[in-house]
Amino acid sequence: DADVTQTPRNRITKTGKRIMLECSQTKGHDRMYWYRQDPGLGLRLIYYSFDVKDINKGEISDGYSVSRQAQAKFSLSLESAIPNQTALYFCATSDPQGAHYGYTFGSGTRLTVV
Amino acid sequence: QQQVKQSPQSLIVQKGGIPIINCAYENTAFDYFPWYQQFPGKGPALLIAIRPDVSEKKEGRFTISFNKSAKQFSLHIMDSQPGDSATYFCAASSASNYQLIWGAGTKLIIKP
Repeated sequence: DADVTQTPRNRITKTGKRIMLECSQTKGHDRMYWYRQDPGLGLRLIYYSFDVKDINKGEISDGYSVSRQAQAKFSLSLESAIPNQTALYFCATSDPQGAHYGYTFGSGTRLTVV
Repeated sequence: QQQVKQSPQSLIVQKGGIPIINCAYENTAFDYFPWYQQFPGKGPALLIAIRPDVSEKKEGRFTISFNKSAKQFSLHIMDSQPGDSATYFCAASSASNYQLIWGAGTKLIIKP
C-alpha cells in the first residue's frame, strides 16, 4: 500500500458542485499539506496542518477549505467548484523530526470542473 | 526573500549529455536544499538533498553543487538517459519551520 493515498484519482464535476478530495497516510507524520499543480506554475500551497488542531492557509486558499479528521487524514473541499480550479491536486506529509525533513507525496487527484 | 528561483523552465538534452538545472535563493536561513523528481501521473519524489556545510553531493548519476556565497545550487545529471525525462523541482527550507519553499520546476526531456 502507498504511504500517502489520495482519492479519487480522477474526478469530473460541474460548476457549483461541492467536492471533497481525501488524503490518508501511513507514515505517522504530523504534518500534512495540500498542493495544487498547474502546467508551468509548479506547486502552489493551498493549506497545511502541523497537527490535528493546527490548520493554516497557504498562498492560494480562497475557494478551498480543509478538515484534519485525524493524524492520518486530511481532506480538501471545494465548496462551489469553478472551472479555474481544474488542476492536479497533491497531498503530502512531512516529519521534521525524521532523518531528513523531505516531503512524501501522494499520486495526485486530477480534477476537472466543467 | 522566501522565493526560490529555478531555471530553465524546460530543457532538451541528447542521451549521454549532462543537463544542468539551476536554483537561486535569498533567505540565508535556509539550511536544507532538496531536489524532487516527478514523472507524469505521479507525485514528486525526493531525489537528492544537500545541506550548506558541503559544496557537492553525489548519488549515483545525480550531483548537487552548492555555492553558499552566491546563494545558488544546481542539479547535474551525468550520462543522462531517456528514463530521466521528468519534471524536476528544487526547494529550500529552514530549521525555523521546516516548510519547503519550491522552485517553479524544470521539464527535462532526454532525447534517445
